[in-house]
Amino acid sequence: QVQLVQSGSELKKPGASVKVSCKASGYTFTSYAMNWVRQAPGQGLEWMGWINTNTGNPTYAQGFTGRFVFSLDTSVSTAYLQISSLKAEDTAVYYCARDQGEAAAGTFDYWGQGTLVTVSS
Amino acid sequence: EIVMTQSPATLSVSPGERATLSCRASQSVSSNLAWYQQKPGQAPRLLIYGASTRATGIPARFSGSGSGTEFTLTISSLQSEDFAVYYCQQYNNWPPSLTFGGGTKVEIK
Repeated sequence: QVQLVQSGSELKKPGASVKVSCKASGYTFTSYAMNWVRQAPGQGLEWMGWINTNTGNPTYAQGFTGRFVFSLDTSVSTAYLQISSLKAEDTAVYYCARDQGEAAAGTFDYWGQGTLVTVSS
Repeated sequence: EIVMTQSPATLSVSPGERATLSCRASQSVSSNLAWYQQKPGQAPRLLIYGASTRATGIPARFSGSGSGTEFTLTISSLQSEDFAVYYCQQYNNWPPSLTFGGGTKVEIK
């Protein structure tokens, strides 16, 4: 069965960096794009962007350029989100989500369990 | 950027009753509209895509309708497990962009 398993919670100081992993199983990793979605405490869902798992080409949504980097290691079917120069407002749960592709491209049928990143001094 | 507005913010419904949730787009998104359910502490779950197509395993009591700028998610007879937050999402101009609505919380009346 399809699974996306994310790395565990992180507590970081302002200015530090964090790297969140999302390991996929149960399907061909390079056949479906991977997206990242942020959810601040008590808030709604915010799409951060996506990465083409075939080419490794990332696309970032407005507000997620510069400090945010999507990457892949296709040998272990894993997508990564790295955030640098962390700020308190980066405190959130970060989800990876698989794109359905084809006629339903842009919709997300499988999600990771989420990774809580807390930024605090 | 296309802005998605959901109403109401909170909907109080008794078990067994019908719930009707609305989602409005700031410009036409055709039928490129999805709905997700999120329970506390859990990841979102895809319910509906293409405005009206139920995702795999979603019960028939969930239905979606609409096109253009006005969309509705209907839960025909609320079960206890349906009390959650529901988000709409447009993907009309994906790639490269898509946006979520602010969510509607369905709570027990």
